[in-house]
Amino acid sequence: DVKVTQSSRYLVKRTGEKVFLECVQDMDHENMFWYRQDPGLGLRLIYFSYDVKMKEKGDIPEGYSVSREKKERFSLILESASTNQTSMYLCASSLLGTGDGYTFGSGTRLTVV
Amino acid sequence: AQSVTQPDIHITVSEGASLELRCNYSYGATPYLFWYVQSPGQGLQLLLKYFSGDTLVQGIKGFEAEFKRSQSSFNLRKPSVHWSDAAEYFCAVGYSGGGADGLTFGKGTHLIIQP
Repeated sequence: DVKVTQSSRYLVKRTGEKVFLECVQDMDHENMFWYRQDPGLGLRLIYFSYDVKMKEKGDIPEGYSVSREKKERFSLILESASTNQTSMYLCASSLLGTGDGYTFGSGTRLTVV
Repeated sequence: AQSVTQPDIHITVSEGASLELRCNYSYGATPYLFWYVQSPGQGLQLLLKYFSGDTLVQGIKGFEAEFKRSQSSFNLRKPSVHWSDAAEYFCAVGYSGGGADGLTFGKGTHLIIQP
């Protein structure tokens, strides 16, 4: 089975801290994605990447950056965490060109205090 | 641009009753269509997908969905729900282009099961 692993299930950080959310997939997928999920708003795409060192902005990139130095790892960075970034963060990966859908990680519940 | 509408934010169904969750999409070409389920505090799990061929698709956990091109719909059904089906359900349409594949998600339908 394809596995997408997010390093933390729950995280509590202080306002202004730099926060790293890590995501690793083990099936050689080209595409990787970061979403945030909030009640009533569904899933909103923050950033995605279709190759190493490539990144594309999604719908809500402000306040976030990403890093993809290796194919299997896609990191989401909150440069200076704010309370409005309290959310569930979901990482996903997919195989390019197959239309096969995404495989999701279990999510990271981030609380910024 | 593609879009997905799930008209029902919440649905309450009695255990053992049948279920239908609605999904309408807007997409210029033949879509790839997906249903995902999310249990509380978890990531999303793929229930089923449609690419082409038979318009009635079977998935895991006893779910099925029917693609109706004329109605731009891909409704999810289950003949008899169980308490463990209580979850959030997301419909998604897939697209390809610009160097990456992507999915556009609906906002989800929250399913409540009454005993």
